[in-house]
Amino acid sequence: SQKIEQNSEALNIQEGKTATLTCNYTNYSPAYLQWYRQDPGRGPVFLLLIRENEKEKRKERLKVTFDTTLKQSLFHITASQPADSATYLCALPYGGGSYIPTFGRGTSLIVHP
Amino acid sequence: ETGVTQTPRHLVMGMTNKKSLKCEQHLGHNAMYWYKQSAKKPLELMFVYNFKEQTENNSVPSRFSPECPNSSHLFLHLHTLQPEDSALYLCASSQEGLAGGEQYFGPGTRLTVT
Repeated sequence: SQKIEQNSEALNIQEGKTATLTCNYTNYSPAYLQWYRQDPGRGPVFLLLIRENEKEKRKERLKVTFDTTLKQSLFHITASQPADSATYLCALPYGGGSYIPTFGRGTSLIVHP
Repeated sequence: ETGVTQTPRHLVMGMTNKKSLKCEQHLGHNAMYWYKQSAKKPLELMFVYNFKEQTENNSVPSRFSPECPNSSHLFLHLHTLQPEDSALYLCASSQEGLAGGEQYFGPGTRLTVT
């Protein structure tokens, strides 16, 4: 099975800066990795998916990288805004032949005006 | 709106009650999921249905009983719950089912067991 590690400490940054969140996994390289955003008391919202043969993916102010050597994905939000404050979850296949995503604990991002 | 609705949004029940959570997806997806989210814990996958057939039961206690009458509806029947079952219960759907793919979540049902 796969173990997913996300920083449990909240990330505090100033508005306008780039936020960088980390997702590490411990075992085999997954076929894909996903990032979601979750606001308090609500369900996660899908943001980006990156596949094992992709190094980088972008969507508007978001960028995801995937380094299978380091077993790590980085999630960047450029020109961050207070509205970006939320918990960000990474998800990847559990393993054992299952492609159903399993989720990390998430990292809370707080963007200060 | 994600296209996945859940009712009720909040539920308080005693340990001897029986209640049901309902989920409906309007996205034409083939797979539906139940997750449990407790404070400070990652999302825990409970059940997976793919084309109305249950494909995963992640060692969930029998006091939780899922039902999937068609690809658009999913229920979670609850009976004789424990206080530690208090959590946010999330329903999700996806197009690709067992092949993975992005999941669309409902708003969740906040369950409190007294």
